[in-house]
Amino acid sequence: SAVISQKPSRDICQRGTSLTIQCQVDSQVTMMFWYRQQPGQSLTLIATANQGSEATYESGFVIDKFPISRPNLTFSTLTVSNMSPEDSSIYLCSVRIGTALDTQYFGPGTRLTVL
Amino acid sequence: AQSVTQLGSHVSVSEGALVLLRCNYSSSVPPYLFWYVQYPNQGLQLLLKYTSAATLVKGINGFEAEFKKSETSFHLTKPSAHMSDAAEYFCAVSRNQAGTALIFGKGTTLSVSS
Repeated sequence: SAVISQKPSRDICQRGTSLTIQCQVDSQVTMMFWYRQQPGQSLTLIATANQGSEATYESGFVIDKFPISRPNLTFSTLTVSNMSPEDSSIYLCSVRIGTALDTQYFGPGTRLTVL
Repeated sequence: AQSVTQLGSHVSVSEGALVLLRCNYSSSVPPYLFWYVQYPNQGLQLLLKYTSAATLVKGINGFEAEFKKSETSFHLTKPSAHMSDAAEYFCAVSRNQAGTALIFGKGTTLSVSS
């Protein structure tokens, strides 16, 4: 398995501002993902963070709103830009280690509230 | 396209009773299936996974799930509920056989009463 940490664990932000969430893993991982969990909802994949290249975004998510960086095999950031109250969610980083059969492990999440 | 349906958004059982959480999937390829648990204010923890080996999969905390291809189901069970099992449970399917993105169901909240 892997130990995944996220910073910050929670934040309260004002409308129109941006927040960058960090995801750090204690070992090199093959793939990293960012998910969103809106209040009372399931998890929705935002994007796959690719090391050394642009992230791959899911339908409904765009780079201008959710820019992602992955400078190496153990670290990634997700920025939530120009926030609105609708962005209030838990944002989770997940990683896949090793072969295709391995599991995704999730970080503890960042609870974001936008006022 | 892959999808997951969890029947019942809320399940209530008594302590010591059988736990049954239902999950049906749709997949155009042989699926990889997962159950995750989320305790209040915590991240997701893997309970168990099916990746085309044994159809009866045993996980942590006494949970198990059976893959039934004919029924396209992957229901989660535990013979005897414990108060500490109260949490949100998510069923998920890999989007493809490369095991990349996960498609999650809407989740089932399990309540356990004494």
